[in-house]
Order: sequence, then structure tokens, then C-alpha cells
Amino acid sequence: AQSVTQLDSQVPVFEEAPVELRCNYSSSVSVYLFWYVQYPNQGLQLLLKYLSGSTLVKGINGFEAEFNKSQTSFHLRKPSVHISDTAEYFCAVSDPYSSASKIIFGSGTRLSIRP
Amino acid sequence: ETGVTQSPTHLIKTRGQQVTLRCSSQSGHNTVSWYQQALGQGPQFIFQYYREEENGRGNFPPRFSGLQFPNYSSELNVNALELDDSALYLCASSILSDPGNEQFFGPGTRLTVL
Repeated sequence: AQSVTQLDSQVPVFEEAPVELRCNYSSSVSVYLFWYVQYPNQGLQLLLKYLSGSTLVKGINGFEAEFNKSQTSFHLRKPSVHISDTAEYFCAVSDPYSSASKIIFGSGTRLSIRP
Repeated sequence: ETGVTQSPTHLIKTRGQQVTLRCSSQSGHNTVSWYQQALGQGPQFIFQYYREEENGRGNFPPRFSGLQFPNYSSELNVNALELDDSALYLCASSILSDPGNEQFFGPGTRLTVL
């Protein structure tokens, strides 16, 4: 069965500093990988996704993630964060061969930006 | 292009009652998925509907049921509510044939069970 582990429940960072949010997945087969962001009192918005091809994926708002198959990781990075990046971030995985587009989410990482 | 909408925004019920939550899909999408997000946790897949039929289900009991209508809107019904059903319920629409099945989420319905 697939699962996702987000290693940090909270990450405090100063504004304009770089940040990395860690994600590891568990799966014996190929996977699709996603990062979603959830702003307070809102639904989830897709930041980026990895389906195949280049292991470095660029998303919206300056975020990028790197798929590492040997380490089963998909860490999210941003070189310089802004106050507006304060939100909950969820790493997620789905099975490309499933007829249902079921997404399995991690428990989330709360990113708090300090001025 | 209208995004995914959900109603109501908030809802308070008591144990044992029944509740119906509604979702309107994004234009052009034929698949609706429902997720439960308990406080401080990631969303958990409840089920998915495609062409008005259930197309996959997570680890939720039968008292969680759903419907999809010809216009691709959807309902989530929960019977015999329990305190642990208190959560944010998210609806997501997608195109089943889309590689990676990108799902577009609504703002959610916050259900409180007292």
C-alpha cells in the first residue's frame, strides 16, 4: 500500500530565507507525486506534480521539487520565501495504474514565515 | 470558467443525525472525489464518482454514501453521525482521462458534530 511521510509538522523560516519541506513516500510501484498548498480556511491548490520525465519539477509561486527514486523522496524547495507563503503544505501520491484517481496525502507541514 | 463550489460552508449537527453536503464540479470535469480532513491531518479519500457510479472507495463505513448527477454535481451523505465525523469535507473534480488526474478542490464544508 502507498503511504506518504512528511517529516516535519512545522517549519519556521525567516522571510527571504530558503526553505525545504521534506517528503518520503512508500510504494512498490510507479507513482505520481504531488505537492498541494492549503491557505487558512481554503481548499487545496496544486503547487506542482511529477508524472514522469525530468526529476526536477517546477511549480507555481517559485516552488520546485525533486523526485529521487532511490531515496523515495520528493522534497519541496523555494530559494526565498515570502510572508504570503505562510500555509499548510501537503505531499501526496497516487497510483498511475488505478482506475480511480485516489490521492493519498501526508499529514502536512505548516510553514510559518517570520518577518 | 467556474471553479469547484461547495455548500454549505459550515454545518452543525448532533450525534445520530444525517447530513447532506453538496458539490458543483468545475466546468468540463466528469469525476468527483470526496475527502475528509480532520483537524491537524491531511485529507483522507472517501470515494470517487465517475459517470454517476462509484469508482473507488477509501476506508470509510457504508454510512458514508454519495451521488453524482448528470450535470456532474455530487452529494455526500453521512448517516448516524458520530463525534469523530467532525471535519472539513473537501470535494475535488477532475477529468478521469487526464494523466495524473489533477484534481481541483473546492473550499470545503466544515462539519461539527455535537
